[in-house]
Amino acid sequence: EAEVAQSPRYKITEKSQAVAFWCDPISGHATLYWYRQILGQGPELLVQFQDESVVDDSQLPKDRFSAERLKGVDSTLKIQPAELGDSAMYLCASSSPGGEQFFGPGTRLTVL
Amino acid sequence: SQQGEEDPQALSIQEGENATMNCSYKTSINNLQWYRQNSGRGLVHLILIRSNEREKHSGRLRVTLDTSKKSSSLLITASRAADTASYFCATDEGTGGFKTIFGAGTRLFVKA
Repeated sequence: EAEVAQSPRYKITEKSQAVAFWCDPISGHATLYWYRQILGQGPELLVQFQDESVVDDSQLPKDRFSAERLKGVDSTLKIQPAELGDSAMYLCASSSPGGEQFFGPGTRLTVL
Repeated sequence: SQQGEEDPQALSIQEGENATMNCSYKTSINNLQWYRQNSGRGLVHLILIRSNEREKHSGRLRVTLDTSKKSSSLLITASRAADTASYFCATDEGTGGFKTIFGAGTRLFVKA
């Protein structure tokens, strides 16, 4: 069964360092999402792609976060510099437009 | 801010009992989805109900949607210990695209 792949699964970094997360969506899914989930809360949408274009990044802290999906397939989310408050689970999901979302296992980020 | 608000925040029941979780939202939606998340894992899609539907079933799950009250409920019948998880509702707003907003979730604990 097709799955959304994410790496790394866990990342520990010191504040002010740069980190990057990678996501490979299910083949054929045009829509890709990055979410941030703080412990005890629901996922918060950071950025949504339709193919290679960003359709929503209103909640992305653009001073330190960036996301790209250059060929409309896999995607990278970067944080530079990382801050203590960035510690969270970063989830990637993909879907057909308007359809159910399939989530990856997530990357748990700890910033020391 | 999160669109969906689940109620209750936490629920503890005995195996075999039914569990009901509610979700309220604020604006017009295209559809509403329910997801399950086991501790520290990614989210799993359960059911999608469209704004013109009132009820939907999937196995032991029953979802209702009342657009006049801007609310939905998820009923899990004959619960099992394996149903222990967090349950989230997510709404899709149709302002030029699909933006998914999750609530904070209901934490369900089913005692064997």
